[in-house]
Amino acid sequence: AQKVTQAQTEISVVEKEDVTLDCVYETRDTTYYLFWYKQPPSGELVFLIRRNSFDEQNEISGRYSWNFQKSTSSFNFTITASQVVDSAVYFCALRDQGGSEKLVFGKGMKLTVNP
Amino acid sequence: EAGVVQSPRYKIIEKKQPVAFWCNPISGHNTLYWYRQNLGQGPELLIRYENEEAVDDSQLPKDRFSAERLKGVDSTLKIQPAELGDSAVYLCASKKGLGGLNTEAFFGQGTRLTVV
Repeated sequence: AQKVTQAQTEISVVEKEDVTLDCVYETRDTTYYLFWYKQPPSGELVFLIRRNSFDEQNEISGRYSWNFQKSTSSFNFTITASQVVDSAVYFCALRDQGGSEKLVFGKGMKLTVNP
Repeated sequence: EAGVVQSPRYKIIEKKQPVAFWCNPISGHNTLYWYRQNLGQGPELLIRYENEEAVDDSQLPKDRFSAERLKGVDSTLKIQPAELGDSAVYLCASKKGLGGLNTEAFFGQGTRLTVV
């Protein structure tokens, strides 16, 4: 069975602080994809990144970076120099071959960045 | 390019009443999903369409929920009759192509349903 755990439910930081959002997943498949989505107060889920199970290279995109470690089944997301506009709920998700192509989401982590 | 469009954004109904949600996916996207997001939770899949065919509806409560995607474009999700526990945000998403893991889904803003 697939499962995504985001242990942190809520984090509050001050602008310019770095913050890391943890994500741990479970799957029996060897081929799978991991995702991060951002959900601002407006409600839509905004796609941030997709990572396949065969590519463990870390990725950086501006102030965002992702650390994928298969050995610990983790796919953590770091925001560097956080800004107020980063305030949102962030979801980690998993899609694998055994899951009928559906996205399995974690419960989300609410990030509040204070000025 | 327009994103996934859903309407209405908000709906308040009394229990036992019917309700319908509409979704217009991104043009050219063959795969369409309906997810339900309860308060404080991540979205959970209700149904997935490939073109006009429902290929996974295993988590759709079929006694009161129904969905259709006529002509393989727009989709409608209906609840009849609604129950208090149906209060949630209903999200529609679409994805280019059929099958495959190597693509991402794009989500609409959702319809927030409140059943009173």
